[in-house]
Amino acid sequence: GIQVEQSPPDLILQEGANSTLRCNFSDSVNNLQWFHQNPWGQLINLFYIPSGTKQNGRLSATTVATERYSLLYISSSQTTDSGVYFCAVELNSGYALNFGKGTSLLVTP
Amino acid sequence: GAVVSQHPSWVICKSGTSVKIECRSLDFQATTMFWYRQFPKQSLMLMATSNEGSKATYEQGVEKDKFLINHASLTLSTLTVTSAHPEDSSFYICSAHTLLSYEQYFGPGTRLTVT
Repeated sequence: GIQVEQSPPDLILQEGANSTLRCNFSDSVNNLQWFHQNPWGQLINLFYIPSGTKQNGRLSATTVATERYSLLYISSSQTTDSGVYFCAVELNSGYALNFGKGTSLLVTP
Repeated sequence: GAVVSQHPSWVICKSGTSVKIECRSLDFQATTMFWYRQFPKQSLMLMATSNEGSKATYEQGVEKDKFLINHASLTLSTLTVTSAHPEDSSFYICSAHTLLSYEQYFGPGTRLTVT
């Protein structure tokens, strides 16, 4: 099956710092999504981004489909950004998402 | 936006009993829903794909007789953990496609503890 690798596995930031999370995948994909899993376990949709660049407030994402990677940028981080960030890809429409192992982010005051 | 609910949000049961978890798409129809399991500090692992009106498709290593899935309508899928054992304790999450986009939306999860 498709491999999804995320880096770094863990990240500690001071409030206000910027960060870049990376997601590499091993095959062409129909769908790529970034999620934030909050401390209660809820997966929050951040971006649906099979290709191109999107921005939403302090977050932005870029997927270069031809090179099989995606980046999630977090600017001016806040303590509420803490949690686990997952990248997930879908090979074909209607199929389940394959998740990476996630990046665990801790933002300290 | 698309909303998926799960009930219950947490449940404690005794070993040997069965537990049913409901997954509902509240404001859209979902022909396909997915069930995942997540152990502490690990990623989400797909258990099964649930299609409305047909039998679920289970991933390798997932016992279909233990994890019964029913997708009776376009807005409801249920997962029943039968004869639960302590090793079934986990966080169970469902997701659904909308018919209008490729994006998947996730329920808030159900934390199962088997004593």
